[in-house]
Amino acid sequence: NAGVTQTPKFRILKIGQSMTLQCAQDMNHNYMYWYRQDPGMGLKLIYYSVGAGITDKGEVPNGYNVSRSTTEDFPLRLELAAPSQTSVYFCASSYSPQYEQYFGPGTRLTVT
Amino acid sequence: AQSVAQPEDQVNVAEGNPLTVKCTYSVSGNPYLFWYVQYPNRGLQFLLKYITGDNLVKGSYGFEAEFNKSQTSFHLKKPSALVSDSALYFCAVRFGGYNKLIFGAGTRLAVHP
Repeated sequence: NAGVTQTPKFRILKIGQSMTLQCAQDMNHNYMYWYRQDPGMGLKLIYYSVGAGITDKGEVPNGYNVSRSTTEDFPLRLELAAPSQTSVYFCASSYSPQYEQYFGPGTRLTVT
Repeated sequence: AQSVAQPEDQVNVAEGNPLTVKCTYSVSGNPYLFWYVQYPNRGLQFLLKYITGDNLVKGSYGFEAEFNKSQTSFHLKKPSALVSDSALYFCAVRFGGYNKLIFGAGTRLAVHP
């Protein structure tokens, strides 16, 4: 049981490039979330999903896109990377909102 | 507006002493409250939660938290701190019928030998 996995662990992008951050969970959780954590700050919700085919915006969705074609996978797409997107990105999943979220190890992204 | 506050950026405590990390919230309805811990270069790990029932909740690694509805607080406590408890602690709240959590800014706990 791997839990929540994220790839890559680290990435450096140039301004204007695009990339997809991968997230997968093997716990059959319906709910999945993408957060960003800036230095010295808490977590900000980017997007979340309540099941395959259903996604919704969080607090800071601009510059990102998501899709949820399967229960297991919830990729986050960055289009036209900007320095403001330099952050650590965490994916999480939960059985339902009143249950705890399980977090992946994070992806550290630098945009220069 | 719905919010979660962790009023202390850092808490320092000597090993063996009791520790408290504070959390207050402002939400409508009955909140679901959570504590998470983050070790360096790791994702967040769940410690404990309050949904309903007893106001004192026990969780992982000897931590506990007390829900106080009148003071809208959910402080994290441990009777005897360990150096290995040094980490970043986050309080989070789910309110109403929302499917998401609001996280506090985090409190860095430093336990000194």
